[in-house]
This record gives sequence, structure tokens and C-alpha cells, in this order.
Amino acid sequence: EAGVTQFPSHSVIEKGQTVTLRCDPISGHDNLYWYRRVMGKEIKFLLHFVKESKQDESGMPNNRFLAERTGGTYSTLKVQPAELEDSGVYFCASSHTSGGAGEQFFGPGTRLTVL
Amino acid sequence: QKEVEQNSGPLSVPEGAIASLNCTYSDRGSQSFFWYRQYSGKSPELIMFIYSNGDKEDGRFTAQLNKASQYVSLLIRDSQPSDSATYLCAVGGGSQGNLIFGKGTKLSVKP
Repeated sequence: EAGVTQFPSHSVIEKGQTVTLRCDPISGHDNLYWYRRVMGKEIKFLLHFVKESKQDESGMPNNRFLAERTGGTYSTLKVQPAELEDSGVYFCASSHTSGGAGEQFFGPGTRLTVL
Repeated sequence: QKEVEQNSGPLSVPEGAIASLNCTYSDRGSQSFFWYRQYSGKSPELIMFIYSNGDKEDGRFTAQLNKASQYVSLLIRDSQPSDSATYLCAVGGGSQGNLIFGKGTKLSVKP
């Protein structure tokens, strides 16, 4: 069974540009999560999809971040315009369990560097 | 603000010893608890989860939960150099599905 995949693995952009990250969850997992780790800090929750619906987006830092999961399969996270403080590793995770925090399986992450 | 605290380490143990990793959490209503292992530059890998007070054993790993003390621990028996990694404690965020992570404890197992 394929795990969670993310693309790209690395992205280097300049301040003000746009970047779109993609996550493909484990097949059959309705729950998809985005997390972010900035240097020196803990991994922090961004948002949670159940199928195509946003269940919880309380962790999204501001309206420069837009996440979508059309069709309830893969998800994209767009940052527009990117700022220096957006640099970090963006992880996607998926789980099968509904209700509460079940066992979440993480992708390899996208390392975003904003110059 | 819900928080999860871990000693950042590094925790250094000799090969074959027991490594003990600890974690405390602030939200008394938390229901689910997870330990992830993360090698440098890799994704967090789920190694243990526990939902009830007491101990849960899986191979060389034992997770311990004490909800009254808001304390979770991970014991690694017969530690191997390949166990050297950062261990992340994560707590389920109540009724929501998100995880709240600690900063992680770096474990080094010396041959």
C-alpha cells in the first residue's frame, strides 16, 4: 500500500511569489491534515479535511493560505503571496479513523524556502 | 493554549540499555496519545499510540499513560543505534482531529 505522498519535496521561491503544494493521501483515507514545522519550533496543525469538506481550519495562519481538496482525493495548499515567515516544512497526513484524532500517517513533507 | 512539553535532549544511552522518553500535556480532556519517530530529514513515523491509562507494549516499545498526572512516556528496551532519532509526542486535540506536538526529544544510542 502506497503511503502519503507530497510534491514537490523542495521549493525555493522569492517573497511575493505563489507556491502550490500537493498531497496525495493513503487510498481510502477520508481524513487529510496539513501541518507545518518552522525551524526550531514544534509541528503545528494547519487544517483538517474530511473528504472534500474543511472540518477544522483553525490553524491556518492567515488568508494568504488556501487549501482545497476537490473530489475528496488529493489536496493542495497554496500560499499567495509568500512571505519570509512561511518558510518551513509542510507535512500532510491522512487517517482512516473518523471522530477525534486517530492514527495519522505522515508524508515526507515539502521544504519551502522563501527568500 | 494546549501544549505538549518534552525535554529536547539529547538523551544519550548505551546500546542495550533502556531509553525513557517523557512527555506532559496541558489539556486534561485529551483522549489520544501518540509517539512518532523522526529520522533527520524524514517524515514522522507512527510507532505507538495509547488511549487508556496504563501500559501498552509492542515489541521493544512500551507506552505508558497517566491521565491523572497528564503524563505520557515511551520506553525503548534493548536500545539499538538504529533507534537514534527524534521522538515526537503528540496528543489528540479533544473532539477535533488535529494533533498537538511537542518539540521532540533527540535520542542517541551509542554502540
